[in-house]
Amino acid sequence: DIQMTQSPSSLSASVGDRVTITCRASQSISSYLNWYQQKPGKAPKLLIYAASSLQSGVPSRFSGSGSGTDFTLTISSLQPEDFATYYCQQSYSTGFGPGTKVDIK
Amino acid sequence: EVQLVESGGGLVQPGRSLRLSCAASGFTFDDYAMHWVRQAPGKGLEWVSGISWNSGSIGYADSVKGRFTISRDNAKNSLYLQMNSLRAEDTALYYCAKDPQYYYGSGSAFDIWGQGTMVTVSS
Repeated sequence: DIQMTQSPSSLSASVGDRVTITCRASQSISSYLNWYQQKPGKAPKLLIYAASSLQSGVPSRFSGSGSGTDFTLTISSLQPEDFATYYCQQSYSTGFGPGTKVDIK
Repeated sequence: EVQLVESGGGLVQPGRSLRLSCAASGFTFDDYAMHWVRQAPGKGLEWVSGISWNSGSIGYADSVKGRFTISRDNAKNSLYLQMNSLRAEDTALYYCAKDPQYYYGSGSAFDIWGQGTMVTVSS
């Protein structure tokens, strides 16, 4: 089984900050990596697919990069509506990372 | 409007069965693979099962293999999850999710989600 890790598990940031979340796979998954945002009490929302492709309707401040085993999600300028939990998902064999909670500093 | 609406959750005793349903609308259901994803209270996301557009390819998480069965009825725009031999650790909010591709397998993502139906397994 492919294991996914995310770091950090949580972070505190301010509006306007640049935020980077890392996701690592236990083996190479090529570019089979997606990112989701989940707010409390809501269903997750697809942000990035195939490691770096922005889902339709998602603000351009979100970007993804990486391939193989190491991936990053970057929010270029954190907005109030971005405080949420972020999950990576490997789509090589389907499985999620443990999540990164982004809250207000 | 693209929409997924889950139903069928509830409180069930360990060892019993439950069948979840997901009604799809606003898109051509039989063009896409579909999935079930669950989230235990206060925990992260766990993929449960996926099914291709024509039911030709199906997969399960190891944690539910042999106990859960996914199916779909394209004529009714509906997805199902038959859950047998339920355990306390199956307690979770179960989401129905659409895949942007027609097949289940490498590259699967979840681009449309329902609001979930809660399953509680307890005596």
